[in-house]
Amino acid sequence: GNSVTQMEGPVTLSEEAFLTINCTYTATGYPSLFWYVQYPGEGLQLLLKATKADDKGSNKGFEATYRKETTSFHLEKGSVQVSDSAVYFCALSAFSGGYNKLIFGAGTRLAVHP
Amino acid sequence: EPEVTQTPSHQVTQMGQEVILRCVPISNHLYFYWYRQILGQKVEFLVSFYNNEISEKSEIFDDQFSVERPDGSNFTLKIRSTKLEDSAMYFCASSTGGGAFFGQGTRLTVV
Repeated sequence: GNSVTQMEGPVTLSEEAFLTINCTYTATGYPSLFWYVQYPGEGLQLLLKATKADDKGSNKGFEATYRKETTSFHLEKGSVQVSDSAVYFCALSAFSGGYNKLIFGAGTRLAVHP
Repeated sequence: EPEVTQTPSHQVTQMGQEVILRCVPISNHLYFYWYRQILGQKVEFLVSFYNNEISEKSEIFDDQFSVERPDGSNFTLKIRSTKLEDSAMYFCASSTGGGAFFGQGTRLTVV
């Protein structure tokens, strides 16, 4: 079946540090891959996506590259800010039975300190 | 920018009572979903809805749950007889078939 595995958190960084949150997936067929962000007390916001191998999704300084050979979609940011503190969810969407369903990883909490 | 809206933002109910969570998906979207997130835990799929019927449901979505699209704009989740373990954030989402857009969620507290 389809599944997503993320690195466990929390990840604690100082402001301006480099961020990597690892995500790997298992899927049949050719899924689309997503990163969602959940700020404290809020809903899920789509951060970025990639729909095919070697695509790079990017938004707000975050990037992730769809790597089919390693079945990975790691999230990176060159210089994090305190305002990036949130929970980050990796997800995949596999078209099956005529529709798409998002399957989420467990989430990784990021805490950025000044 | 179009968005998914959910009401109420917070609902407190007594165990055994029925609750209806409401969602207005983005207007040109065709696929609708309910997910839930128990505090601090992962986001769990409940049900997907397309072409006025359920496409798939998880094992969580038992006979106590139902969904409806009563008027072409609203998408509702009903829990007939709430249990303490139904306390969670419930998220509605809609999509055109790619990435889904989520509402802000309804926090359901069963006491």
